[in-house]
Amino acid sequence: GQNIDQPTEMTATEGAIVQINCTYQTSGFNGLFWYQQHAGEAPTFLSYNVLDGLEEKGRFSSFLSRSKGYSYLLLKELQMKDSASYLCASSGSARQLTFGSGTQLTVLP
Amino acid sequence: GAVVSQHPSRVICKSGTSVKIECRSLDFQATTMFWYRQFPKQSLMLMATSNEGSKATYEQGVEKDKFLINHASLTLSTLTVTSAHPEDSSFYICSARRQGDEQYFGPGTRLTVT
Repeated sequence: GQNIDQPTEMTATEGAIVQINCTYQTSGFNGLFWYQQHAGEAPTFLSYNVLDGLEEKGRFSSFLSRSKGYSYLLLKELQMKDSASYLCASSGSARQLTFGSGTQLTVLP
Repeated sequence: GAVVSQHPSRVICKSGTSVKIECRSLDFQATTMFWYRQFPKQSLMLMATSNEGSKATYEQGVEKDKFLINHASLTLSTLTVTSAHPEDSSFYICSARRQGDEQYFGPGTRLTVT
């Protein structure tokens, strides 16, 4: 089966760092994705982890621990435009994605 | 690139009618396309997996006779919502998988059934 958990909401200040956690239970695990979604728009790809460790891409980094079923997305130097929903999604044995409920991030000035 | 388009972006239809939504991969061939549905303030729910040249695989609870999926070519999949009802009003999003695991999402189609 598939089960993804992430916080519903988070708030942070412009210029700060925020970490969004995600835990998953996925049979036939084939990797963990993070997507950003603004209201009324489709998700856009942020990162993909299949091996343990940290992947850094500019202001965004993503971490995976397969043994713990745990991932996080780290956003640095927050900007107002980073206010969005962040979706954690795990890839299963058939490469289908199961999405978490999303974390609504609000960046305050 | 890896661009996926959807058409239409918005559609309003009357209850009982059918609506077709197209999903196209514009600059790559996609052997697999996925259809998702998203209700307000909820996450994406996978409806079905569409493989070119074969029948779609539907997720549990999704009626295959109501949501008809056709994946006729490596760049086009269509979703037809038959006999639409107001509860079918939702944001429908497709994605296409190129080589590897990454999925590229279309811009979504907002369906409103009156």
